[in-house]
Amino acid sequence: ETGVTQTPRHLVMGMTNKKSLKCEQHLGHNAMYWYKQSAKKPLELMFVYNFKEQTENNSVPSRFSPECPNSSHLFLHLHTLQPEDSALYLCASSQESSGGADTQYFGPGTRLTVL
Amino acid sequence: GQNIDQPTEMTATEGAIVQINCTYQTSGFNGLFWYQQHAGEAPTFLSYNVLDGLEEKGRFSSFLSRSKGYSYLLLKELQMKDSASYLCAVKDSNYQLIWGAGTKLIIKP
Repeated sequence: ETGVTQTPRHLVMGMTNKKSLKCEQHLGHNAMYWYKQSAKKPLELMFVYNFKEQTENNSVPSRFSPECPNSSHLFLHLHTLQPEDSALYLCASSQESSGGADTQYFGPGTRLTVL
Repeated sequence: GQNIDQPTEMTATEGAIVQINCTYQTSGFNGLFWYQQHAGEAPTFLSYNVLDGLEEKGRFSSFLSRSKGYSYLLLKELQMKDSASYLCAVKDSNYQLIWGAGTKLIIKP
């Protein structure tokens, strides 16, 4: 399955580092999402972009900064993270961000460890 | 608040049938999704229900009762490869997906 790709797959960073996560979708979708997945917790929606415009920002700390240059690419810029930010970061895409039957397709995620 | 409840873990035997339940309380309802997630992999879409009743797709079926705020995923003829986490999610009135914490299904020979 290569519809949604994410790089890197694994990332270890110190609290003072700056890094970026990349997501690319090859499905012709117009909406893209960032989720955080922590062990035994529900997926937490972080950001939503619909037609390159940010439509949701669920009270995410400013140390996470999203960027969506076009409908196929999504970035998550990270700086001065905390150890509790260690998690699996999942990118997803869908045809659009509204519509009941609109299905989200996920990338494999980036496993982030903050030391 | 919005809430999705599903069991944390279930165990079943290869070849058997298992039912994973999901109950929800959300502000509005625009459909319920089931996803499968193998360890270290992406969640993959299994089913979508928006009307009451049973949707069958091969060995997997999903049921919805909107009046009870209840759904279940039924897996038949279990195979070892079905060992995974199963995620229940509901689209609320804002078309935002609200997720359960997932049910880890362990299949034993």
